[in-house]
Amino acid sequence: KQEVTQIPAALSVPEGENLVLNCSFTDSAIYNLQWFRQDPGKGLTSLLLIQSSQREQTSGRLNASLDKSSGRSTLYIAASQPGDSATYLCAVRFTGGGNKLTFGTGTQLKVEL
Amino acid sequence: NAGVTQTPKFRVLKTGQSMTLLCAQDMNHEYMYWYRQDPGMGLRLIHYSVGEGTTAKGEVPDGYNVSRLKKQNFLLGLESAAPSQTSVYFCAGRGWRKETQYFGPGTRLLVL
Repeated sequence: KQEVTQIPAALSVPEGENLVLNCSFTDSAIYNLQWFRQDPGKGLTSLLLIQSSQREQTSGRLNASLDKSSGRSTLYIAASQPGDSATYLCAVRFTGGGNKLTFGTGTQLKVEL
Repeated sequence: NAGVTQTPKFRVLKTGQSMTLLCAQDMNHEYMYWYRQDPGMGLRLIHYSVGEGTTAKGEVPDGYNVSRLKKQNFLLGLESAAPSQTSVYFCAGRGWRKETQYFGPGTRLLVL
């Protein structure tokens, strides 16, 4: 079964710290992987999309990496700020899965002053 | 542009009642999706559409129906609501040959 896992479920860090969020997936045959941010009571906002042929993508203080062979992706957030507090979700489009994204359950991040 | 919008934002139903959730987009998305989000389970795909007049089942389609009569709108129907359908429902869309999905703000549904 194609599954996506995110550990830990929650993370609390002091402001200014660099941090890494983890995402693992059970099948290396993927089309792409996306990281989303979800604020409480809101919809999802796409942060970064990595195609299967890419190793990483960067946007501002965010850097996402992809290692298909090990079934892992990481989202690196540099110099964290309280405004980064949100739930971060990883979603994978598996090859042969059609148009479907398979989501992880997310990591709830709190950046404290 | 409004992006992806959902109506209503919140609704309370009694078991057995019916309702329709509306998703509208002005981003010319070809693909549209309905997901439900439950605590500890992540987002799960209910139904999706690859274009006007088309629909397809997702991971958890039972108890739901959909229609895409116009490209801009994707409707999700519950014919006979059950407490297990208490959830937050999200609509999303993406363009042809585009991979990024754009999400609506969600509809919170409580079935008593």
